[in-house]
Amino acid sequence: GQQLNQSPQSMFIQEGEDVSMNCTSSSIFNTWLWYKQDPGEGPVLLIALYKAGELTSNGRLTAQFGITRKDSFLNISASIPSDVGIYFCAGQTGGYNKLIFGAGTRLAVHP
Amino acid sequence: AAGVIQSPRHLIKEKRETATLKCYPIPRHDTVYWYQQGPGQDPQFLISFYEKMQSDKGSIPDRFSAQQFSDYHSELNMSSLELGDSALYFCASRHRTGRMNTEAFFGQGTRLTVV
Repeated sequence: GQQLNQSPQSMFIQEGEDVSMNCTSSSIFNTWLWYKQDPGEGPVLLIALYKAGELTSNGRLTAQFGITRKDSFLNISASIPSDVGIYFCAGQTGGYNKLIFGAGTRLAVHP
Repeated sequence: AAGVIQSPRHLIKEKRETATLKCYPIPRHDTVYWYQQGPGQDPQFLISFYEKMQSDKGSIPDRFSAQQFSDYHSELNMSSLELGDSALYFCASRHRTGRMNTEAFFGQGTRLTVV
């Protein structure tokens, strides 16, 4: 089936550093979404991408929809302690199909 | 703004019992997705509904069933519970009719513990 390869699995960074994570797939996706999940809570949508090549920002977060439609990255600039959590990429092949999730990137930020 | 509401937030059941999880989508959202997330795992798609009809099916066990009602809320029924069913269960909703590009928003989840 369709799979998303998300990397890195985990990151331990100092406050103020920039962070980059990405997702790749052998399948083409029409939509890429990035979610953040805190322990025991539901995923919260950060950024949604709908067009190949699209670059979208949300505050300190920037995400891009790869031109091949098989990958996406998320950057977080000037990290702060509240950025701690698990970041998931999710892809959708089209229309209103189900979201397929990557395995997640666990981010730890040291003050 | 109103979000996706799931109930209960926590549920403890014994093996072989049944459980019913409820999901109330964001007002005017007509599509509901159910996901199961085990400890340290990514969310796995179970089933989805659009306009009260099943629209897609994932790795949902035969012991589970779900439906969407006329008010668009959805219920996930789980029977003959097993220890391995212990997980977080999420519901997400989106608005399908009209605009093509609409995002899926998740509820806070139901933590099911089977003992």
